[in-house]
Amino acid sequence: KQEVTQIPAALSVPEGENLVLNCSFTDSAIYNLQWFRQDPGKGLTSLLLIQSSQREQTSGRLNASLDKSSGRSTLYIAASQPGDSATYLCAAPRKGGTSYGKLTFGQGTILTVHP
Amino acid sequence: GAGVSQTPSNKVTEKGKYVELRCDPISGHTALYWYRQSLGQGPEFLIYFQGTGAADDSGLPNDRFFAVRPEGSVSTLKIQRTERGDSAVYLCASSPGGEPKNIQYFGAGTRLSVL
Repeated sequence: KQEVTQIPAALSVPEGENLVLNCSFTDSAIYNLQWFRQDPGKGLTSLLLIQSSQREQTSGRLNASLDKSSGRSTLYIAASQPGDSATYLCAAPRKGGTSYGKLTFGQGTILTVHP
Repeated sequence: GAGVSQTPSNKVTEKGKYVELRCDPISGHTALYWYRQSLGQGPEFLIYFQGTGAADDSGLPNDRFFAVRPEGSVSTLKIQRTERGDSAVYLCASSPGGEPKNIQYFGAGTRLSVL
């Protein structure tokens, strides 16, 4: 059974800092690794999807890396802004089984960026 | 519609009552997923539909939970004899197909409170 863990559970930083969110998973047989953002009372917004054959993906100030051998992914946020404050979730669909695309999520990292 | 729509956004009910939660996926998306998110946790998989059929219902916690998608579009999650432990945010997601490479697009969720 896939287990996904995110560290830290919460992070508070001043505006402008570069920061790293960590995600680890127990089963490396994954199709891809996805990072989502969730604002309070809202659904999830996909930020980045890294295919299993890739090592990283970039979108604007966000960069996500994937190391399947060690079961880890990191989300790097450059020059953080107050608008980045949200909960960040990582998730992976496991290979095999009957349900393609079924995601196993970590518990999330609550990020607060203060002015 | 432009995105995944879930109704109602909030539902308060009494213990023992029956509730229905509705999900309107993005038009043309054949894959539909239901997840449940408890406070402070990541979403947990409940059920996956490919078209009209439930391809994987392994995440449904017990037989009080049931979901349908009769015409391959709108889906309804039904909970009988609700219990206080059912209180959570119920999220729906859709994707163009059931392949893991496809990003899942999430609705804003239905917050269910069982008193």
